[in-house]
Formats: sequence, structure tokens, C-alpha cells
Amino acid sequence: EVQLVQSGAEVKKPGESLKISCKGSGYSFTSYWIGWVRQMPGKGLEWMGIIYPGDSDTRYSPSFQGQVTISADKSISTAYLQWSSLKASDTAMYYCARRINGLGDWGQGTLVTVSS
Amino acid sequence: QSALTQPASVSGSPGQSITISCTGTSSDVGGYNYVSWYQQHPGKAPKLMIYEVSNRPSGVSNRFSGSKSGNTASLTISGLQAEDEADYYCSSYTSSSTLLVFGTGTKVTVL
Repeated sequence: EVQLVQSGAEVKKPGESLKISCKGSGYSFTSYWIGWVRQMPGKGLEWMGIIYPGDSDTRYSPSFQGQVTISADKSISTAYLQWSSLKASDTAMYYCARRINGLGDWGQGTLVTVSS
Repeated sequence: QSALTQPASVSGSPGQSITISCTGTSSDVGGYNYVSWYQQHPGKAPKLMIYEVSNRPSGVSNRFSGSKSGNTASLTISGLQAEDEADYYCSSYTSSSTLLVFGTGTKVTVL
């Protein structure tokens, strides 16, 4: 069974750094792109970017370029999304998803709350 | 890259059919047969319902169907059921560096 399991909810202060994770299992982790999607409270889905764990080829949406870093560690089948300095506007649910026939498999989401 | 345009809301009675549109440009929806549709219930992760314009993943009801004409893709839900009440998002491959773009989302209400 394919699973994407994301790390737990986080509460951070503005200016702090954060790295959330997405662990894949049940498939060849290095053979499929993994994307990240933001959903702000009460809002729609926003495409952030995508990584191919096989060679770490990474693409970013212009809206998120320079704001976040997407990476992967294929040795432990885990993709990451990180911030160096969080803002209150980063408060959102973040989903990872495997790109197969569209985004065919999704993680359960990681809620990030940034508040002073 | 602007989001694809969807109606904010669509409603229908049980048993009826509804159609949700998703309008883009020749650089995304119109240029490629890589349109997908996702269903999202409150508090849940999105679920893939249609891929490559009209294909259903295993396990998705055949009451869901997709099509495309020009720069507009459509999702039709036939035999509307209470469980279909959810938010629906389209997405498309795009020739821009972002690779993917989502629609604005449509709230489906079963009356």
C-alpha cells in the first residue's frame, strides 16, 4: 500500500525556522516526483513546487521561489519543506503528494501555525 | 501563472447532474491533456477523481466524468449524492516553470 506520512502539527513564532517532512512507503521513492501544496485557512489549494527524489531536480512556483526550500533524502524515502524565517502568513495546512496520474497519493497534511 | 478559473459554487438536488468548469489558457488546459480533478471534504486531504482529462482512478465512482473543449475542462457528477458535497479543484500541467497550476475551487452543495 502506498503511503505518504507527514510530520505532526507545528506551532512556531515569527522569525523561527522549520522543516516538515513527508515519508513515502510502498513504492519506489526515487521514481516519482513529490509535490507540496499549501492551503491557507478557508482558502484553496496552491501549488508550491516539486522534487524528483531520484536526482533532486526541484522546481518552484514563482510565488514560493526564495520563500521555501524543497529537498529530499532518498536514503530514508523522505521529502522536506523548510522555511528559514517564518511569517504569520505562512500559517496553513501543507500537503505533500505523489505525482502519478496527476497527484494520485496525498499525505495527511501538516498544520503549521505561526503566531507571536 | 494565474490560477485556473472555476465557479465558486454549484448546487444540485440528489439524483441530478451537475457540471463544474475549469477555464485556463492555451499554455495549460488548452495545450495539454493533463487536467486532473480533486475532491476535498472538510478537514481531509484532497482525493484524485479524474486524471488526464477523462480517466478515473481505480475505486472512483463512474458517476464522475471529465472532458475538455479548447481552454475549458469540465467535471460532471451524475446521480448526485449527499456524499458528493465537497470542494472540487481542477489542475493542469502548464508550460510555465511552475509545471502545475490549480483552479480556484468550487463548492458543491447537494440541496
